[in-house]
Amino acid sequence: GAVVSQHPSWVICKSGTSVKIECRSLDFQATTMFWYRQFPKKSLMLMATSNEGSKATYEQGVEKDKFLINHASLTLSTLTVTSAHPEDSSFYICGGDTSYEQYFGPGTRLTVT
Amino acid sequence: QKEVEQNSGPLSVPEGAIASLNCTYSDRGSQSFFWYRQYSGKSPELIMFIYSNGDKEDGRFTAQLNKASQYVSLLIRDSQPSDSATYLCAVMRDASGTYKYIFGTGTRLKVLA
Repeated sequence: GAVVSQHPSWVICKSGTSVKIECRSLDFQATTMFWYRQFPKKSLMLMATSNEGSKATYEQGVEKDKFLINHASLTLSTLTVTSAHPEDSSFYICGGDTSYEQYFGPGTRLTVT
Repeated sequence: QKEVEQNSGPLSVPEGAIASLNCTYSDRGSQSFFWYRQYSGKSPELIMFIYSNGDKEDGRFTAQLNKASQYVSLLIRDSQPSDSATYLCAVMRDASGTYKYIFGTGTRLKVLA
């Protein structure tokens, strides 16, 4: 299967700071990347869909000014959590899509103290 | 009614048995269907996808799709303890030129040695 990397794998930050998560498709071009968050023992919650070179489409209830998504190239998308608060602590996972098959990165565990 | 429904389990099967995982979906416009395996603390891994009615086999895995009944299943033959994980069913839905994946809450499978 296709390979997606995500960096960092885990991060601890203080409340009020911003955190950037990078998602890269290593062996394919991802015209679309999806960003999810997952709480313990819960399913994936889609946050937003990003297409290369265009603005991200956010799901209802997701604050676009808080979760900034940039899809600068066919292999790189970033999610920036701005002014993070403890309730933003979660497992964030990106999914790169190739030919209508989605492959996930290993995820980033964010803890906000 | 949830768009994608799965029994949360746990489904316990003895080693060597067939594990049968089921999923129903509500949107008849769903086009593609996916099974992901997720180990605790890890991101999901794509196991299989199926687009057409009928069966699709890949090694020990068989996906079955019945669009009339809006039902998709995953059979795991010769189950191994290493198959113990949460299995997520996902459907891809196209809406107005964009598309997204909708995930079920997952079925936890335990293969008993």
